[in-house]
Amino acid sequence: TQLLEQSPQFLSIQEGENLTVYCNSSSVFSSLQWYRQEPGEGPVLLVTVVTGGEVKKLKRLTFQFGDARKDSSLHITAAQPGDTGLYLCAGYGSSNTGKLIFGQGTTLQVKP
Amino acid sequence: EAGVAQSPRYKIIEKRQSVAFWCNPISGHATLYWYQQILGQGPKLLIQFQNNGVVDDSQLPKDRFSAERLKGVDSTLKIQPAKLEDSAVYLCASSLGTTYNEQFFGPGTRLTVL
Repeated sequence: TQLLEQSPQFLSIQEGENLTVYCNSSSVFSSLQWYRQEPGEGPVLLVTVVTGGEVKKLKRLTFQFGDARKDSSLHITAAQPGDTGLYLCAGYGSSNTGKLIFGQGTTLQVKP
Repeated sequence: EAGVAQSPRYKIIEKRQSVAFWCNPISGHATLYWYQQILGQGPKLLIQFQNNGVVDDSQLPKDRFSAERLKGVDSTLKIQPAKLEDSAVYLCASSLGTTYNEQFFGPGTRLTVL
């Protein structure tokens, strides 16, 4: 069974601080995705990383896929209250059916 | 482009009652997914349809959960009878295809079983 473990589960920081969220697995994933979910809404895709070692930037968010494609990280620079939400990593399973396996999520609270 | 629609948004029922959720995917999306998201956890896939055929229902508790996607468009998910542990948000998502296509999620239905 492929599992994704996220850490930390909860993060409460002040506006302007930097943070990193980790997503780890003992299995290789062909690609990993990061989603952000706000209360009362469904997850929204932020980025997909496909190649081992790949780094993608989305404004103040930097996503990295591990060289062995077993882990990923999300780094936020100078966090803002608007970044508050649940961050989920997800990977496609090995069955090639499009089944996404989600981590348990990291709840981020950015205080003004 | 309209997003994935779900109804109702909230539902409160007593245990052992039945409940049904409805999902209308994005027009033209062949693949439809139902996820269960328990508070504090990530979404868990319950069932995946490709058009009106089932691709994966390995994590669907078939003794109480059922789902259908008639005519390959709208879908309903039913729970009968409900248990306390079914309290969760039920998310519907759709995508153009299966392998590595972006999934678009609806707002979910929050179910509380008392």
